[in-house]
Amino acid sequence: AQSVTQLGSHVSVSEGALVLLRCNYSSSVPPYLFWYVQYPNKGLQLLLKYTSAATLVKGINGFEAEFKKSETSFHLTKPSAHMSDAAEYFCALNSGNTPLVFGKGTRLSVIA
Amino acid sequence: DVKVTQSSRYLVKRTGEKVFLECVQDMDHENMFWYRQDPGLGLRLIYFSYDVKMKEKGDIPEGYSVSREKKERFSLILESASTNQTSMYLCASRTGTGLRETQYFGPGTRLLVL
Repeated sequence: AQSVTQLGSHVSVSEGALVLLRCNYSSSVPPYLFWYVQYPNKGLQLLLKYTSAATLVKGINGFEAEFKKSETSFHLTKPSAHMSDAAEYFCALNSGNTPLVFGKGTRLSVIA
Repeated sequence: DVKVTQSSRYLVKRTGEKVFLECVQDMDHENMFWYRQDPGLGLRLIYFSYDVKMKEKGDIPEGYSVSREKKERFSLILESASTNQTSMYLCASRTGTGLRETQYFGPGTRLLVL
């Protein structure tokens, strides 16, 4: 069985500070990993995905994530938070054609 | 631009009513999914479909059914709505797998069952 654990249901950072959202996974087969963002009252939007081509993945809006197999992690980072980054972030995984398995989400607040 | 549309943004129903949530995608995608989203629980898969007239149960199918008569439309049915089905429902469609996978989400339907 596959699973995703997001550490911290709520993260608060100051504008301009580093954003770090943590995601650990469990999978018996090589996974594909994803980060999605959900802005208030909107559907989910893909930020980035890892598909084994490169361990450091760059996404939209300045976000990136690093796949670390030894740590079974896929943490999301952004060097400098902006007010517009305030949203809920979901880590997800699958393997090939299976449905996505989502973590419980992390709500990011950005303080001016 | 891919579009996944859901028939309603907000819906209020009474306990015991039959409820239909409609989802339509315009990109000829094979795969479609229904999730429910609850605070602190993330997204949980209800049902999915990889082709017309095909359906598979997800993690929480109890109390729900689905219909996929046409490729572009995937309907979620609550046969007899209950208050514990009050939730946000998200539909998604997907093209490709693995390297080429991209999943698109609709804006969601917020359902309140009284």
